[in-house]
Order: sequence, then C-alpha cells, then structure tokens
Amino acid sequence: AQSVTQLDSQVPVFEEAPVELRCNYSSSVSVYLFWYVQYPNQGLQLLLKYLSGSTLVKGINGFEAEFNKSQTSFHLRKPSVHISDTAEYFCAVSGILFRYSSASKIIFGSGTRLSIRP
Amino acid sequence: DTEVTQTPKHLVMGMTNKKSLKCEQHMGHRAMYWYKQKAKKPPELMFVYSYEKLSINESVPSRFSPECPNSSLLNLHLHALQPEDSALYLCASSHVQGAGGGEKLFFGSGTQLSVL
Repeated sequence: AQSVTQLDSQVPVFEEAPVELRCNYSSSVSVYLFWYVQYPNQGLQLLLKYLSGSTLVKGINGFEAEFNKSQTSFHLRKPSVHISDTAEYFCAVSGILFRYSSASKIIFGSGTRLSIRP
Repeated sequence: DTEVTQTPKHLVMGMTNKKSLKCEQHMGHRAMYWYKQKAKKPPELMFVYSYEKLSINESVPSRFSPECPNSSLLNLHLHALQPEDSALYLCASSHVQGAGGGEKLFFGSGTQLSVL
C-alpha cells in the first residue's frame, strides 16, 4: 500500500522569500509522485509530477521538486514566492495497481497551507 | 477545451431529498472520478469509472449512486443524505493507460453540498 505524509500543516512565508514544502511517501512498489495546488474555492491543479528519469522536476509557476529515493521524499520548492501562491498544496502518490489496470488511483497527503505575508 | 465542468456550484438539500451532481468533460478522457473533500482535508476517492464502467468503489454508502451515461458525462445521485455528508464534491478526469497510473488528473471546481 502507498501513503503520503506532509509534515507541515501550515507554512507562513514572507513575499519573495524561498519556500520548501515537505512530503514523504511510503510504498513497497514503484510510485508516481505529484504535487497539486488548490486555490480558494477551486478544484485542484497539477503543479508537477515525477514518473521516472531526472530526479529534479520542474513544474508550473516556478515550482520544482526533487525525488529522493533513499529518503523517500519529494519536497516542493520555490526560490521566491508571490502573494498569488497563497493556496493549499497537496502531495500525492499513485502506484502500480494490478487490480485497477485502466485508471489511476491517487492518494493525497493531508495538505500544507502556504500563506504569504507581504 | 481543457475544462471539467461541474454543476451546480452550490447545493443545499434536506435529508429526504433526491438530487444529482453533474460533471462534464470534452477532452476525450475515458477515466472519470468522484472525490469528496471535507474542509481543511485532502480529497478522498469515492468512485472511478474507466471506459464508462465502474472500476473502483471505495466502500461508499449506497445513498451515493454514481452513473456514467457516456464518455463525457458523470453523475452522482444523492438520496437520504446525512448532515455529515456535507462537503465539497470534486469531479476529475484523466487519460486511461495501462497498469501504473501516473496520469494527470483534471479537476472541476466542485459542488459545495450542504445537507440540513
């Protein structure tokens, strides 16, 4: 079974400061990892995903994440945040599901609320 | 068109009412999903349809009844709900691929449901 742990429920940051949102996963099989963002009163939007290959993944809006297999982590980073980055960020995992072979079963972490202070 | 459209955006219903939530996409996706999201919590998977057939039911109570009438539409029929069912209901869609997942989910904005 797969699981995802987001270590911080809230992260306050000043505008233009760097930020890191932490995510650790647990799985006995190969996994795919995602970061989704949810702005207030909206659905979720994919920021980036890791399937294979380079461990540094670049996404939209200047975000990037690094897959670290030895530490089972997939932390999200941005070098300089803006007020518009205020949102809930969800780390997610999906894996090889032999029973469910034709659709994705994605499990979300508990979320990290990023609040940007001017 | 890269949108998933959900209607209505807000719904208030009594415990004896019957209502339906609707979801539509025109991206040619053959996998569609219903998620339930309580305030300040992550989305929880309820149902997955693949090629218009129900492939995952996460032990959801029978008062929630999904329906996929065609490849573009997904409905969630509601009957005799409880106040604890109040939540944001999100629809999503994705391309279908073989075992392994990894597909990007496209989410609608959700229906905010209140059960009185």
